[in-house]
Amino acid sequence: NAGVTQTPKFQVLKTGQSMTLQCAQDMNHEYMSWYRQDPGMGLRLIHYSVGAGITDQGEVPNGYNVSRSTTEDFPLRLLSAAPSQTSVYFCASSYSDGGGAGYGYTFGSGTRLTVV
Amino acid sequence: GNSVTQMEGPVTLSEEAFLTINCTYTATGYPSLFWYVQYPGEGLQLLLKATKADDKGSNKGFEATYRKETTSFHLEKGSVQVSDSAVYFCALSRYNQGGKLIFGQGTELSVKP
Repeated sequence: NAGVTQTPKFQVLKTGQSMTLQCAQDMNHEYMSWYRQDPGMGLRLIHYSVGAGITDQGEVPNGYNVSRSTTEDFPLRLLSAAPSQTSVYFCASSYSDGGGAGYGYTFGSGTRLTVV
Repeated sequence: GNSVTQMEGPVTLSEEAFLTINCTYTATGYPSLFWYVQYPGEGLQLLLKATKADDKGSNKGFEATYRKETTSFHLEKGSVQVSDSAVYFCALSRYNQGGKLIFGQGTELSVKP
């Protein structure tokens, strides 16, 4: 079972460059989300999706775009990288209980991004 | 709004000591509550969960009880091991919130032999 797969594991970008962090899940989960982890701040939600074609903003969406064309994939795009986006990024997926709460959350192993 | 507050770390304990990591939450309705653990250099793993008031989640010797009257979900373990050294995150998700998790800031635990 692959679970949630994130690529790349490490990335260094120059300020102003763009890139896409990939996330794929093979559990047929409805819900997918992106978090960033910064020291002393826990994990903060960037964007999330409740199904293919449906996305919404989380707590810290500025500078990031997402799309969800399939159930399996939920890529995160950095439009113009800034040093403030240096962080560890985690993708997660979960299934719905029918009432909108997620269950069976599974996290990817993370992408460590440095913007210089 | 919804939020989770954890006790600040780092917490340093000797092996076989008793562990408590406090977690309180603010949320309307009846959220589901979780504890996640992150070992050095790894992603997050679900440690335990509780979905309604008075539920007790347990796993690997860790326990936490969903206390609605005090809006708390404190993590406890009777005898910690060096292998428990990690960062622990308390989190909640709410009904009709599309699977969003709201995390506390994390508590680093270091267990010395």
